[in-house]
Amino acid sequence: AQSVTQLGSHVSVSEGALVLLRCNYSSSVPPYLFWYVQYPNQGLQLLLKYTTGATLVKGINGFEAEFKKSETSFHLTKPSAHMSDAAEYFCAVSHNNAGNMLTFGGGTRLMVKP
Amino acid sequence: EPEVTQTPSHQVTQMGQEVILRCVPISNHLYFYWYRQILGQKVEFLVSFYNNEISEKSEIFDDQFSVERPDGSNFTLKIRSTKLEDSAMYFCASHNRNTEAFFGQGTRLTVV
Repeated sequence: AQSVTQLGSHVSVSEGALVLLRCNYSSSVPPYLFWYVQYPNQGLQLLLKYTTGATLVKGINGFEAEFKKSETSFHLTKPSAHMSDAAEYFCAVSHNNAGNMLTFGGGTRLMVKP
Repeated sequence: EPEVTQTPSHQVTQMGQEVILRCVPISNHLYFYWYRQILGQKVEFLVSFYNNEISEKSEIFDDQFSVERPDGSNFTLKIRSTKLEDSAMYFCASHNRNTEAFFGQGTRLTVV
C-alpha cells in the first residue's frame, strides 16, 4: 500500500523568497515520485519526477526536489518564488515509472505575496 | 503540443440521472485513467484501462461506474445513477509505456 502526506494545505511566501513544499510518502516497494502543479481552471501538469538514479531532480519553472529514502521524503523547493508560481501542488507516488495508479497527497496551495 | 481533452468542462445533472464524461487521450497513448477530486479532498484513483479492458480499479469504482473506449479516440466514464456524493472534478489521464501520465483539464460534475 502507498500513501502520501503533504504537510501544510496552504503555504504563503513573499515574492523572491524560498519555496519549500513538504511531501512524505510510504511505499512497500521502491517508489516513483512525482510533483504535479494545478493552475486555476487547468489540469494537472507534471513538474518533475524521480524514478531511479540521481536523488536531486530538477523540473520545470526552476523547481527541484530531493528524494531522501532515509526520511521517506520528496520535498519540493524553488530558490526564489515568482507570482506566477501561485497554484496548487500535488505530490504523488507510484510503483512504476509510467505513473500507473498514482496515489496523491492532499495538495498544498501556494500563495505568493508581492 | 499534444494534450488530453475532456468535455464538457462543467456538467450539472439531477440526482439519479446517467451522465457520461468524455475524454480524448493523446493519440498514441495506450494506458488510460480516470481520477476524481471531491472539493477540498485528495485526487483519488478510480480506474485504469489498457488493451480494451480495465486493468485496475479502486473501491470507489463500483457497479454504478463503467468505462468504455468506443472508438479509436474517445475514452468515456459513465455514472449510471448519479448521487449527490458523485459531485467532484473528474480527471482523465493517459500515457505510454515509459512516459508519465498526462492529465486533462477536468470535468466538474455537479449533482443536484
